[in-house]
Amino acid sequence: RKEVEQDPGPFNVPEGATVAFNCTYSNSASQSFFWYRQDCRKEPKLLMSVYSSGNEDGRFTAQLNRASQYISLLIRDSKLSDSATYLCVVKNSPTDSWGKLQFGAGTQVVVTP
Amino acid sequence: DGGITQSPKYLFRKEGQNVTLSCEQNLNHDAMYWYRQDPGQGLRLIYYSQIVNDFQKGDIAEGYSVSREKKESFPLTVTSAQKNPTAFYLCASSNPGATKETQYFGPGTRLLVL
Repeated sequence: RKEVEQDPGPFNVPEGATVAFNCTYSNSASQSFFWYRQDCRKEPKLLMSVYSSGNEDGRFTAQLNRASQYISLLIRDSKLSDSATYLCVVKNSPTDSWGKLQFGAGTQVVVTP
Repeated sequence: DGGITQSPKYLFRKEGQNVTLSCEQNLNHDAMYWYRQDPGQGLRLIYYSQIVNDFQKGDIAEGYSVSREKKESFPLTVTSAQKNPTAFYLCASSNPGATKETQYFGPGTRLLVL
């Protein structure tokens, strides 16, 4: 079983609509969670960290469910520029002080006019 | 501007050849990392370095080597022992100990085998 699993998509979303997707992780001791965005043939870029209480950054909302071991990302009022692959990233146990991250394979989102 | 640079953008390797990918950062980060990305897969860690003159193997180190002689630089050599080197190689850096520490990536190098 992969440590971080994501639905690869693609999620085809009309412009202006809302899209949400999840990511599950297997290590219950995972401490830090992030969403990265990766455009085609480019490097991943940090979109947002995910906090225990959930957090929002503009049109983006991230949630963490420790009991079920998943995180989610919701995008409201989708823009064409939101088309990208969204990577779920999990930092492992608290003893993993040097920052090793586990990456999901990504969820592709395609926003259509 | 602070950031991470990688060169070249594209690299072609012939059979039996060693090639070196460059990674430089001016973020003053202590830690640096090399990842490999293949289609449909998550990033996989090749090597990492927490401090100058020290580095550790990641999950897929076979066929690769690194050095960390300077804080700013972490070159990766893909040796002839790596039988399937075609991939997108990403270098990253981070500041361990920072609140919500995360990694920042360079633009990547695409390695193709001729």
